Amino acid sequence: GDSVTQMEGPVTLSEEAFLTINCTYTATGYPSLFWYVQYPGEGLQLLLKATKADDKGSNKGFEATYRKETTSFHLEKGSVQVSDSAVYFCALRNAGNMLTFGGGTRLMVKP
Amino acid sequence: DTGVSQNPRHKITKRGQNVTFRCDPISEHNRLYWYRQTLGQGPEFLTYFQNEAQLEKSRLLSDRFSAERPKGSFSTLEIQRTEQGDSAMYLCASSLALIGAYEQYFGPGTRLTVT
Repeated sequence: GDSVTQMEGPVTLSEEAFLTINCTYTATGYPSLFWYVQYPGEGLQLLLKATKADDKGSNKGFEATYRKETTSFHLEKGSVQVSDSAVYFCALRNAGNMLTFGGGTRLMVKP
Repeated sequence: DTGVSQNPRHKITKRGQNVTFRCDPISEHNRLYWYRQTLGQGPEFLTYFQNEAQLEKSRLLSDRFSAERPKGSFSTLEIQRTEQGDSAMYLCASSLALIGAYEQYFGPGTRLTVT
């Protein structure tokens, strides 16, 4: 079945540092890929998405590129802020309509 | 657009009791999903509806779990004879059933604690 693997956290960075959170997936066919973010005490919010190979999703300074050859969708941001501290989830949606999530990566940004 | 709402936000129950959670999706959304999230893990799919029809159920959804969406609007998730292993955050999401409408909008969740 489909699966998503993320790097384990927590990831601790200083403000303005470069962020990479790795995500790889296993799926048949051509899934759509997503990054969701969960801020403390809040629900999941869609951060960005990519629906086909080589697509780049971007939002709020975050980017991720759908790499079919490496089955990856790594999340990057050039300069993190304290307000980016949250848990980040990589997910895929395949032929069915449900999302398959990775285990989540907690990001902590220190001033 | 008031977003997806879930009630209650927190529920503490004793093992063996029945509990019911409610989800109100975004009004024009015809798909509704239930997920379960345990501490430190990503959400896991439980079931989803298109309008009032329950189209898919995960094998995680044991016989003690039942979900309904009687009029294609709000949905309820009932757990009978709760067990400590049922303690988790139960998330509801909704979306449109349109080609290209990929985003699922999540509610804040109901946190269940079984003592």
